[in-house]
Amino acid sequence: NAGVTQTPKFRVLKTGQSMTLLCAQDMNHEYMYWYRQDPGMGLRLIHYSVGEGTTAKGEVPDGYNVSRLKKQNFLLGLESAAPSQTSVYFCASTLPRPNYEQYFGPGTRLTVT
Amino acid sequence: TQLLEQSPQFLSIQEGENLTVYCNSSSVFSSLQWYRQEPGEGPVLLVTVVTGGEVKKLKRLTFQFGDARKDSSLHITAAQPGDTGLYLCAGRSWAGSYQLTFGKGTKLSVIP
Repeated sequence: NAGVTQTPKFRVLKTGQSMTLLCAQDMNHEYMYWYRQDPGMGLRLIHYSVGEGTTAKGEVPDGYNVSRLKKQNFLLGLESAAPSQTSVYFCASTLPRPNYEQYFGPGTRLTVT
Repeated sequence: TQLLEQSPQFLSIQEGENLTVYCNSSSVFSSLQWYRQEPGEGPVLLVTVVTGGEVKKLKRLTFQFGDARKDSSLHITAAQPGDTGLYLCAGRSWAGSYQLTFGKGTKLSVIP
């Protein structure tokens, strides 16, 4: 099993450009999450999904959109990138039982200039 | 909003020393997890504690959940360079069961 994979690993965008980050998991997990990690801020939840076709906002959703068309994939989109979105993005997945223990991908380092 | 405060924020110790890092909140959590994150990688789950007062051991690492389920600690005995990394605690509230609240982490450096 590959676990949770993320593409791309690195990306540099110019302000105003758009991009999509792809997360894929092969563990048949129901729940998937997108976080961003910034120095001194810890992991902050952007959006999450509790099943195929469903998404919900987390703590910092502004400027991001997501889609979960297939159970194994969770996409994070930036429609018009801003320098404030420079961060490391992590995808995670989990089974609801017993304690929502999360499995993380390796991360995508995004720089917006 | 539930918050988890981790201390210390940074810790640099010599190989062989013992250390304790703390994770505190004013809120009750139904369970608490500890993760370790190495540079350039995603966090990896170390342990989940569920019962107040619970103690779990993972080789040289000892995890404790407070009696009131508001705090937790991680004690490392005879630290090794391989223990270097960012240690994150994360709690699951009763209400927000889909989500975890993460602390900001303790960055540990073990010097050979």
